[in-house]
Amino acid sequence: QSVLTQPPSVSAAPGQKVTISCSGSSSNIGNNYVSWYQQLPGTAPKLLIYDNNKRPSGIPDRFSGSKSGTSATLGITGLQTGDEADYYCGTWDSSLGGVFGGGTKLTVL
Amino acid sequence: QVQLQESGPGLVKPSETLSLTCTVSGGSISSYYWSWIRQPPGKGLEWIGYIYYSGSTNYNPSLKSRVTISVDTSKNQFSLKLSSVTAADTAVYYCARLVMGDGYTQGIYYYMDVWGKGTTVTVSS
Repeated sequence: QSVLTQPPSVSAAPGQKVTISCSGSSSNIGNNYVSWYQQLPGTAPKLLIYDNNKRPSGIPDRFSGSKSGTSATLGITGLQTGDEADYYCGTWDSSLGGVFGGGTKLTVL
Repeated sequence: QVQLQESGPGLVKPSETLSLTCTVSGGSISSYYWSWIRQPPGKGLEWIGYIYYSGSTNYNPSLKSRVTISVDTSKNQFSLKLSSVTAADTAVYYCARLVMGDGYTQGIYYYMDVWGKGTTVTVSS
C-alpha cells in the first residue's frame, strides 16, 4: 500500500489527452513539492516534472503538472505510442521520508 | 553530463549483506545529495535512503535497522549496504542524484534528476 495513491491504469487514443492523479495528505503533498517520473518498459525512471509544474530541459511541453491541496495531477496532451509507460509521482513526507505513488500504467490505444 | 553506474553482486544469499556501489562520472559528487531506490519485480518504486556528500544520511524507516549508505568523495562513489536480506529484498536497485532543499513557504522540494540504469539483485540460496 503506497502512501501516495495513483490509479493503476489509464488509457486514451493517440492524439488525445490524459490525466493521472496522485493523492496524498498534509504530511506529504499538502506541504511539499511534487515530482513525476516516466518509466518506459525495461528502463530506469526518468524525471518528467519537478517542483509541481516545472519541466527539465528536453521534456516536451505536452507534459504538464499541477497541484491543489493534497493532490497532484500529471497531464499529457497529443498522446503518442511512445508515451506508453509507467508513471510515478513522488514527494517528501514529514514522517516517512521519500515516498512514491504506486504507479500508473498508461496505454495508448 | 553526469552519469551514474551501479555495480555489485547480482546474487546474494539469505541472511547475508547486500552491497552495491554507485560510481558518479561526468561531474563531482560534492554539493549534492545521492539516493538509492529499489523496485521489486512487477512492483513500484521504493525509496531506500539518501546521503549528502558530507556524509549525513536519512533512511526509509521501514529499512532503517538494516541499511547503511556511505560516500567516498575521493572515488566519486557512494555505496549501499543492506543486511540480513530475504527474498523480499529481491529487486532492481537504482542509484540517483537527489535535488533537495527547503522551499520555505511551499515546503520541501525533492526530486531525482539523474538515474543509473539499475542493477538486478536476487536473494536466493
